Amino acid sequence: DTGVSQNPRHKITKRGQNVTFRCDPISEHNRLYWYRQTLGQGPEFLTYFQNEAQLEKSRLLSDRFSAERPKGSFSTLEIQRTEQGDSAMYLCASSLSENGYTFGSGTRLTVV
Amino acid sequence: EDQVTQSPEALRLQEGESSSLNCSYTVSGLRGLFWYRQDPGKGPEFLFTLYSAGEEKEKERLKATLTKKESFLHITAPKPEDSATYLCAVPPFRLDSGAGSYQLTFGKGTKLSVIP
Repeated sequence: DTGVSQNPRHKITKRGQNVTFRCDPISEHNRLYWYRQTLGQGPEFLTYFQNEAQLEKSRLLSDRFSAERPKGSFSTLEIQRTEQGDSAMYLCASSLSENGYTFGSGTRLTVV
Repeated sequence: EDQVTQSPEALRLQEGESSSLNCSYTVSGLRGLFWYRQDPGKGPEFLFTLYSAGEEKEKERLKATLTKKESFLHITAPKPEDSATYLCAVPPFRLDSGAGSYQLTFGKGTKLSVIP
């Protein structure tokens, strides 16, 4: 068990392009979360999966954002038509229960 | 809407100089609270879960306490390797309610720098 893995670690993209991030949770964890963090702020919740079902979505998750977790394993977060305001660290976390998450190291997105 | 406020925003300590970080929250009913540590360029690392007022948890030089309105993270004789941003977060439901999934509300964090 190597923890929660996120790829890529860094992504630079031009405004208007689509990007996709991947998260591999801890294998026995059935719960998976996506958060976004900007400089000087705490993480903000985006969405939550229990197994393959997406059970919660934040108002922050505009229609340009979509997340999937096929077969309840890894998850992808796609941002379409990126905007400069999308520049942030995108964090994935997983858990087996309510008792705290394990976060990955994040994907830092820069939109130029 | 749940609000979590951490103070101070930044704290510089000399090595060995003990201090406390504060996390205050306005939520409907005490639900428990999490503390995390975050190093630059990394995701938050779980430190403690506190479930009820009066509860205390310790780990090395860190001790977390919880009241009905706030939590403190006490750092005793800190070392330079304790330098990091410390985040607290509250869940939308009581942690022991079995309510299932939750989205945590995080504070902005306290950036701690420990100078040798």
